[in-house]
Amino acid sequence: DIVMTQSPDSLAVSLGERATINCKSSQSVLYSSNNKNYLAWYQQKPGQPPKLLIYWASTRESGVPDRFSGSESGTDFTLTISSLQAEDVALYYCQQYYSIPYSFGQGTKLEIK
Amino acid sequence: QVQLVESGGGVVQPGGSLRLSCAASGFTFSNYGIHWVRQSPGKGLEWVTFIPYDGSNKYYADSVKGRFTISRDISKNTLYLQMNSLRAEDTAIYYCVRDGGAWYWGQGTLVTVSS
Repeated sequence: DIVMTQSPDSLAVSLGERATINCKSSQSVLYSSNNKNYLAWYQQKPGQPPKLLIYWASTRESGVPDRFSGSESGTDFTLTISSLQAEDVALYYCQQYYSIPYSFGQGTKLEIK
Repeated sequence: QVQLVESGGGVVQPGGSLRLSCAASGFTFSNYGIHWVRQSPGKGLEWVTFIPYDGSNKYYADSVKGRFTISRDISKNTLYLQMNSLRAEDTAIYYCVRDGGAWYWGQGTLVTVSS
């Protein structure tokens, strides 16, 4: 089974500053036939379902502000919010959908400093 | 647009059964696989089960194998989750999720297992 480990568990960033959340997979989630990493990022606010932000590790979902971006380096993945806004306060999860059982990171709580 | 609406949640005693439904619209139901993902109160996300677009195989997390059954009715554009032998640790919000490069989530339905 693939284990997804996020860091940090919580993060406080000033408004307008950059926020960076990391996610490491215990094994590759790169599908060689299409050269895509099967990695997604979600944002979840209280009382709401997870909202898809990024899929294929770096493809922004339609309607997601361009301050959100995803990147990868091997089995290390990063979600970056370039300029934190108040509405970005939430829990963030990474997820691998490369192999069953699909798995999620433990979540990172993002707050305003 | 893609819509997934879950129903059937509620309070059930340990050892009891419950059937969840997920009504799909806004896409061709028979072209996509569907997952159930759950989230226990105050906890993280756990993938539960998946049925591919052709219904050829069904996949389950070890935690529910032998107790939960996923099925679908193409004519009704509806997915089901039959949950038997329920335990306290099955208490969670259950989300119906469309498969693909991008996963699309319903709003969820709450299942509480308690005596």
